[in-house]
Amino acid sequence: DSGVTQTPKHLITATGQRVTLRCSPRSGDLSVYWYQQSLDQGLQFLIQYYNGEERAKGNILERFSAQQFPDLHSELNLSSLELGDSALYFCASSSVIGSPLHFGNGTRLTVT
Amino acid sequence: AQSVTQLGSHVSVSEGALVLLRCNYSSSVPPYLFWYVQYPNQGLQLLLKYTSAATLVKGINGFEAEFKKSETSFHLTKPSAHMSDAAEYFCAVSDRVSSASKIIFGSGTRLSIRP
Repeated sequence: DSGVTQTPKHLITATGQRVTLRCSPRSGDLSVYWYQQSLDQGLQFLIQYYNGEERAKGNILERFSAQQFPDLHSELNLSSLELGDSALYFCASSSVIGSPLHFGNGTRLTVT
Repeated sequence: AQSVTQLGSHVSVSEGALVLLRCNYSSSVPPYLFWYVQYPNQGLQLLLKYTSAATLVKGINGFEAEFKKSETSFHLTKPSAHMSDAAEYFCAVSDRVSSASKIIFGSGTRLSIRP
């Protein structure tokens, strides 16, 4: 058990809809990362937060947004969903910048 | 910009044989390097990490990796494969200098073990 909790485990929704994925980092970890894993794109870095502030951005679409709250949990919001957004979304946390990541078990998003 | 390249999307070895998974990195600053393993329907787990203390890094489950700066490589090895090693393996690189460190993953190598 990595200590990182992601909810929900599975999400099925229709095109055009909006969903929110939630992540609780490991106790004591200030940094949260979001990744998208799909068969054709591999594991893509989306965005990183550190203690509530956005620190790094990767290949995150404008339709996607994230935030980290004062209690350090994070949410990833995906809107105007398209079929191609179907993927596994992972949250990971770390204690300090550059230290190893601890991954949650992911949220599997299916857009129909 | 940093990147990692994993050579071979799929590697198949016999049980008891040597496992060699290749990773080459590109980084303009001294990197942190990691290997992660992903079992089906699970998140990634850290196998080992390189942070400059020693070039040969030992990890969990009998895996080790050697950092070779001259070759910009960080290949993962295990002397004797076990059936339970079947999984997807990811090499990753992180910028050790920037305070905004994104950890970039390679495309992964699926390891299959033949009985």
